[in-house]
Amino acid sequence: GAGVSQSPRYKVAKRGQDVALRCDPISGHVSLFWYQQALGQGPEFLTYFQNEAQLDKSGLPSDRFFAERPEGSVSTLKIQRTQQEDSAVYLCASSLGSVNEQFFGPGTRLTVL
Amino acid sequence: GENVEQHPSTLSVQEGDSAVIKCTYSDSASNYFPWYKQELGKRPQLIIDIRSNVGEKKDQRIAVTLNKTAKHFSLHITETQPEDSAVYFCAASKGGGSNYKLTFGKGTLLTVNP
Repeated sequence: GAGVSQSPRYKVAKRGQDVALRCDPISGHVSLFWYQQALGQGPEFLTYFQNEAQLDKSGLPSDRFFAERPEGSVSTLKIQRTQQEDSAVYLCASSLGSVNEQFFGPGTRLTVL
Repeated sequence: GENVEQHPSTLSVQEGDSAVIKCTYSDSASNYFPWYKQELGKRPQLIIDIRSNVGEKKDQRIAVTLNKTAKHFSLHITETQPEDSAVYFCAASKGGGSNYKLTFGKGTLLTVNP
């Protein structure tokens, strides 16, 4: 079946613009995670959903970052008033349950000029 | 919170040799330890994982060992091939409640020279 998909794959934004990144998890996967991967670093946790409930948002770096998963499937990560330090690859992962393997999407590479 | 240290940051081996990557973690409550392989510009892909109730797991040329007392775990790749060249990440997770998030190491760039 289809894996985790993300769109857009690449996004260039001018500083101060708002962006929205989309994640389509594997069908039926309950858990959904967002990670931020800076160049040459490992992914860092941003937020976690179980179905539509956002159970952990401790990794969101500021109140400019907002994530939602209103129907328990597709998720959107929104970044308001983008800054240069927001430039990174944003990875989405889903898993069947809470203790299962996390499957990653291809990521969205965000560049803020 | 959890902290995962990974060494070495780069590793170069000759084809056919073995490669070992080591990680340590700080939170004794962590109980799930996956290893991901990430090729340039691609998504991380799980290659092997281990849970805290076992000490070793093997899958063909890849093995992982876990020492809970010392809080460290290692990835072993035998008979390396050029296609093994990639960045490898270790990670740790506590599981349970809302603690499913993975904490990753900084990665090891493995280069297998033909």
